Amino acid sequence: EAQVTQNPRYLITVTGKKLTVTCSQNMNHEYMSWYRQDPGLGLRQIYYSMNVEVTDKGDVPEGYKVSRKEKRNFPLILESPSPNQTSLYFCASSPLPGSSNQPQHFGDGTRLSIL
Amino acid sequence: GENVEQHPSTLSVQEGDSAVIKCTYSDSASNYFPWYKQELGKGPQLIIDIRSNVGEKKDQRIAVTLNKTAKHFSLHITETQPEDSAVYFCAARDTGRRALTFGSGTRLQVQP
Repeated sequence: EAQVTQNPRYLITVTGKKLTVTCSQNMNHEYMSWYRQDPGLGLRQIYYSMNVEVTDKGDVPEGYKVSRKEKRNFPLILESPSPNQTSLYFCASSPLPGSSNQPQHFGDGTRLSIL
Repeated sequence: GENVEQHPSTLSVQEGDSAVIKCTYSDSASNYFPWYKQELGKGPQLIIDIRSNVGEKKDQRIAVTLNKTAKHFSLHITETQPEDSAVYFCAARDTGRRALTFGSGTRLQVQP
């Protein structure tokens, strides 16, 4: 089954304690992306990756890091989490965006609470 | 960059009625407009999309229309059912970054 898998699904932690949210896809997609979802703001892109070792900033990258060492994995790293990063996070993947405009497949989300 | 506005933020309809959600976008170069449905505890799921060379697309009870001149597109759901209750997001592809820019979402409630 084609899917995007995020872990953990829920996490409560404290300010300053480094955390990583993993994302894995089994569709051999080149393009992967992280979004955060906040009430009234929709989904905003944090970082994206066009392929292995190629990453770039989205609309709200501050306080986040990513890496793309393997095609299937795209972890989101919060080096020093702060309460304003409390949010619902989604990982997504798709074939490389181009003229075919393939849709993005989303994971089921990770709810982070930073105290 | 692209800016997408979505209205209304909440919509309540009676089962069997139609529902319409509207979005406007700012970047005239955007050429791809998907709609996603998000159920509680799940990620967004693509339900229909339209490309800029098409004015309307229909899939059973769901249709999307696009007016490139006015830079707006709409989602139409006919004969609504309780299982249509969810949050719906429109989006537009930002051709500069190849990213999707999302609207703020519409919570649709279908009353049985």
